Amino acid sequence: KAGVTQTPRYLIKTRGQQVTLSCSPISGHRSVSWYQQTPGQGLQFLFEYFSETQRNKGNFPGRFSGRQFSNSRSEMNVSTLELGDSALYLCASSFLGVGTQYFGPGTRLTVL
Amino acid sequence: DQQVKQNSPSLSVQEGRISILNCDYTNSMFDYFLWYKKYPAEGPTFLISISSIKDKNEDGRFTVFLNKSAKHLSLHIVPSQPGDSAVYFCAASANTGNQFYFGTGTSLTVIP
Repeated sequence: KAGVTQTPRYLIKTRGQQVTLSCSPISGHRSVSWYQQTPGQGLQFLFEYFSETQRNKGNFPGRFSGRQFSNSRSEMNVSTLELGDSALYLCASSFLGVGTQYFGPGTRLTVL
Repeated sequence: DQQVKQNSPSLSVQEGRISILNCDYTNSMFDYFLWYKKYPAEGPTFLISISSIKDKNEDGRFTVFLNKSAKHLSLHIVPSQPGDSAVYFCAASANTGNQFYFGTGTSLTVIP
């Protein structure tokens, strides 16, 4: 089975712009979670989608949003980018939405 | 509020010896725990899991121990190999969905 894929792998944006990241889960997995990793921090949970519904949400401002499509692919959007949004964004999928999560390689976002 | 803590940012071990990575948590509702290994520029790779109904789980060279009363888990790698050099994250969930809380990671260096 193919693993979790994320596109693009690298992005450079300027403050005030918006960005959309994409995640394709492992085939058959219905849950997709998004995480932000910054230097010195662990992975911070953004949100989780299961069967096109946001089921859990972390403590991030409303500028961070997401959605999931009927094929379980997910997108994450960040509007009005700030310098502090520079990070590695990881998505993870799981089969039933409970249990082990499998991660993609991440998207490295740099905000200038 | 960091609910999962890895208090050792780094650890160095000689090849062939045991590596012990520690993780503490504060939320007594956590009942499912994961360990991940992460290389630079890659997403975390799942290593081993344990649920709260067990106190030990083994998979090859990797063993995870869970002490619920102390809210502490540890990952033992025996014998350690140079290829084990990576950042190790522990994660915990209350099984209310796929919201996992991650520690800040421990960088393991195995010296040949």
